[in-house]
Amino acid sequence: GAVVSQHPSWVICKSGTSVKIECRSLDFQATTMFWYRQFPKQSLMLMATSNEGSKATYEQGVEKDKFLINHASLTLSTLTVTSAHPEDSSFYICSARGTLTDTQYFGPGTRLTVL
Amino acid sequence: GQQLNQSPQSMFIQEGEDVSMNCTSSSIFNTWLWYKQDPGEGPVLLIALYKAGELTSNGRLTAQFGITRKDSFLNISASIPSDVGIYFCAPGAQKLVFGQGTRLTINP
Repeated sequence: GAVVSQHPSWVICKSGTSVKIECRSLDFQATTMFWYRQFPKQSLMLMATSNEGSKATYEQGVEKDKFLINHASLTLSTLTVTSAHPEDSSFYICSARGTLTDTQYFGPGTRLTVL
Repeated sequence: GQQLNQSPQSMFIQEGEDVSMNCTSSSIFNTWLWYKQDPGEGPVLLIALYKAGELTSNGRLTAQFGITRKDSFLNISASIPSDVGIYFCAPGAQKLVFGQGTRLTINP
């Protein structure tokens, strides 16, 4: 149980385009989903917390207009990187927390490369 | 601000050896989680600790939640090649804070 999927697993895009990443909890309902970014050889950095049906809460330094988060259902959250630039290239990982536990279960990550 | 220190940053050991890593924090937490991350993958939950003083095992892994709620350790006994990876402590409740990670390398 507690499986989280992400799609796509990798994406390459041109500078200036937008990219959408999906995060799904497959076998449980996730009231809260989290989006992280991880640069090479570094730890995970929380970008934003998203609760189903409400606006996401962004961490300090993360531009909400650039990283659009939608959590429209209890099993799906999306992160859209708008007007992507090479410095946005990173490994984006989502996690989901169910209704009965504080434990977060992570997706497999999405490698974004912006040319 | 809140400080979380994980050590060691890296370990190079022989197969079969035991491993120990720990995290200390300047803040009190109600939950301590330990994750393992393989290259190009998301973190996988190893052990979850919810009570101060709690000692929990998962196979060859043992973790303890410090009595002060400011620290935790993870031990791996009799290491095997598939233990290679990066281990993160992640205390928190509503939000997790990730340690810097311990990169484990095993020489066969």
